[in-house]
Amino acid sequence: KQEVTQIPAALSVPEGENLVLNCSFTDSAIYNLQWFRQDPGKGLTSLLLIQSSQREQTSGRLNASLDKSSGRSTLYIAASQPGDSATYLCAVPHRSNTGKLIFGQGTTLQVKP
Amino acid sequence: EPEVTQTPSHQVTQMGQEVILRCVPISNHLYFYWYRQILGQKVEFLVSFYNNEISEKSEIFDDQFSVERPDGSNFTLKIRSTKLEDSAMYFCASSRANSNQPQHFGDGTRLSIL
Repeated sequence: KQEVTQIPAALSVPEGENLVLNCSFTDSAIYNLQWFRQDPGKGLTSLLLIQSSQREQTSGRLNASLDKSSGRSTLYIAASQPGDSATYLCAVPHRSNTGKLIFGQGTTLQVKP
Repeated sequence: EPEVTQTPSHQVTQMGQEVILRCVPISNHLYFYWYRQILGQKVEFLVSFYNNEISEKSEIFDDQFSVERPDGSNFTLKIRSTKLEDSAMYFCASSRANSNQPQHFGDGTRLSIL
């Protein structure tokens, strides 16, 4: 059974710092991995989808890496800003290939001005 | 940019009543999903829907739940007889494909059962 874990649960950094969020999964037979952002009381905003054949995917100040063999993904945020404060979730599709996503519990990031 | 829209944003209902949560997926998407998030817990999959039928449903999605695509634009989740433990944030999502395209989520409906 696929389990997705995110560490740390919460992170507080001063503005301008580069930071790394971690996501691990137990079943390495994944098609892709998706990173989301969730603001309080809001829905999920898709940030990056990294395919199983890729090692990295970049969007602006965000860079996601994927190491299937070790069951890990990282989301790197460069030059963090207070507007980056949110909960970041990672999710992987279930083996059933019906689109079902299995989520981690998220990392809540606070960037202090 | 096209987005998934959900209504209402907040629904308060008495236990035992029926509720219908509504979603308008992105127009050229073919796969539709419902997830829920109980306060403080992980986002959980409920059901996936493609070609007018359920592709997969979770253990949570028992016979009190149903989904429907009544026309070319709406996708609904019905809970027939609500329970206190149905209180959660319900998210609709859609995607162009089931495995290699991102899922796009709506802002959710907060369902409160009294």
